[in-house]
Amino acid sequence: GDSVTQMEGPVTLSEEAFLTINCTYTATGYPSLFWYVQYPGEGLQLLLKATKADDKGSNKGFEATYRKETTSFHLEKGSVQVSDSAVYFCALSSPGGSYIPTFGRGTSLIVHP
Amino acid sequence: DVKVTQSSRYLVKRTGEKVFLECVQDMDHENMFWYRQDPGLGLRLIYFSYDVKMKEKGDIPEGYSVSREKKERFSLILESASTNQTSMYLCASSLAGAGSDTQYFGPGTRLTVL
Repeated sequence: GDSVTQMEGPVTLSEEAFLTINCTYTATGYPSLFWYVQYPGEGLQLLLKATKADDKGSNKGFEATYRKETTSFHLEKGSVQVSDSAVYFCALSSPGGSYIPTFGRGTSLIVHP
Repeated sequence: DVKVTQSSRYLVKRTGEKVFLECVQDMDHENMFWYRQDPGLGLRLIYFSYDVKMKEKGDIPEGYSVSREKKERFSLILESASTNQTSMYLCASSLAGAGSDTQYFGPGTRLTVL
């Protein structure tokens, strides 16, 4: 079945540092890939998505590129802010899973001033 | 602006009580979902519904039931609450079919069962 593996946290960075959160997946067919973010005390919200190989999703300075050859969708940001502190979830949706999303376990990001 | 609302942000119940968690979406979405979120386990799907009066079991349906009488409303029911059901419960909705599978989440209900 479909699965998503993302790096365990917490990831702790200083403000303006470079961020990478790794995500790899296993899926049948050609999945869509997502990053969701959960700020403290809130539900998840879509951060960015990519629907086919080599697509780059981007939003709020975050980027991720759909790499079919390495089955990866790593999240990056060049300069993090304290307000980026949150939990980040990688997810996929595929025909093999009847388009029911499969989520990774989440990676907590803590950014210090 | 799209919106998914949940009836309570915080709820405290006693073991054995019947608990109702309500979720309403205003986006005319066909699909609705209930998840629970626990530290270290991520999101786990309890039930989902792809149409009114339709429901499908997710990964952890034991101890839960659901009801969807109207398109915009999806209820999660704990028939007899137990302490191991203490958790954060998240509702989500999405459009039907491929290519429209972005999920929209409510703010969550933190349920404590004593």
